[in-house]
Amino acid sequence: SQTIHQWPATLVQPVGSPLSLECTVEGTSNPNLYWYRQAAGRGLQLLFYSVGIGQISSEVPQNLSASRPQDRQFILSSKKLLLSDSGFYLCAWSVFRDSSGANVLTFGAGSRLTVL
Amino acid sequence: RKEVEQDPGPFNVPEGATVAFNCTYSNSASQSFFWYRQDCRKEPKLLMSVYSSGNEDGRFTAQLNRASQYISLLIRDSKLSDSATYLCVVNNFMDTGRRALTFGSGTRLQVQP
Repeated sequence: SQTIHQWPATLVQPVGSPLSLECTVEGTSNPNLYWYRQAAGRGLQLLFYSVGIGQISSEVPQNLSASRPQDRQFILSSKKLLLSDSGFYLCAWSVFRDSSGANVLTFGAGSRLTVL
Repeated sequence: RKEVEQDPGPFNVPEGATVAFNCTYSNSASQSFFWYRQDCRKEPKLLMSVYSSGNEDGRFTAQLNRASQYISLLIRDSKLSDSATYLCVVNNFMDTGRRALTFGSGTRLQVQP
């Protein structure tokens, strides 16, 4: 069966420090991978998605970047964190389950980032 | 106007009650629809897809009204374990031709003993 792992689960970082969040998927090949952010009281915001190794699409301008060095590995990074980067970061992968070809997402457990 | 709008709640209901949530979406060309459940400080998990003819999964019933552009979730015989935030999710085609999921901010349900 497919599993998705995300780490670290929780971190507290000072403003201006770098960030690296990692996500790996097991039990599937060539998944579509996603990074979402959920700020307090708000909906999930898509940050990046990837359909293959080295292929990254950014949905919103920001000081974050993503990389996919291996098929089942997706990394979210920042060189200098801002206060506004605080939030709950979720990695997800998708399969097409129904006739409309819709993405059905399975999320990792999330990484809760507090920038001070 | 937000692409997907939900009443944030909270909806406080007693055990055994029936409760319904609505969600409206702005894009009339939206392709497919889902309800996800998110427990406090956890990741969202798929609860059910929403089909045009309406569908049921145990105590949960989802319906779609394309003319009025809303979907609904009905929970019968509420359990304490149903307490969570319910996220409405809409799948659209973007200008790039890519499909994208848009999440509502969620409706919080609190079932009380």
